[in-house]
Amino acid sequence: DTGVSQNPRHKITKRGQNVTFRCDPISEHNRLYWYRQTLGQGPEFLTYFQNEAQLEKSRLLSDRFSAERPKGSFSTLEIQRTEQGDSAMYLCASSLVLGVGIYSGNTIYFGEGSWLTVV
Amino acid sequence: KNEVEQSPQNLTAQEGEFITINCSYSVGISALHWLQQHPGGGIVSLFMLSSGKKKHGRLIATINIQEKHSSLHITASHPRDSAVYICAVRSGDDKIIFGKGTRLHILP
Repeated sequence: DTGVSQNPRHKITKRGQNVTFRCDPISEHNRLYWYRQTLGQGPEFLTYFQNEAQLEKSRLLSDRFSAERPKGSFSTLEIQRTEQGDSAMYLCASSLVLGVGIYSGNTIYFGEGSWLTVV
Repeated sequence: KNEVEQSPQNLTAQEGEFITINCSYSVGISALHWLQQHPGGGIVSLFMLSSGKKKHGRLIATINIQEKHSSLHITASHPRDSAVYICAVRSGDDKIIFGKGTRLHILP
């Protein structure tokens, strides 16, 4: 396994266009996270999935943002009608969660991020 | 107040100096990660800690669960160590909470 893979790594788009990012997690990982990082800040939580179920969404995730994980494997993050304020790095991470309150001992694996520039 | 606080926010040091970056957190955690991010680059995981101390080359990470504090040390720092170092905790409900990062600049 080559780790968490994100595509595309860099995207420049015009304001108003739609963009989609894809994340392929570690194959056996059941949890997948999306974060957003703007310049000078640490990554901020957007949403996460347990298998195919989207368990939580941040208030940062406006109605222009949608995330899916249809088969519990890869995930997509779509941004509709992009705005300049959407320019950021979108980070995916995955982990194996055995159950509520049960620490699997497995590390969290991070993708390299997808950089979005809206012009 | 952020749940994960790092200090300092920015650090400039001369090559060869011993570097310490601190991370304090206010939530219950199952693990803590130290991450490295070069400018314009992706995030690389350096350490995962749940107790004690780990060492990898010139990097040492420690954690004190009772005090909810972790430190990342770099011995014999080098300009290639210049990067943003991020502390991230895995909370009890398996969420990841990131600090804002420490921007380290090592001068040759």
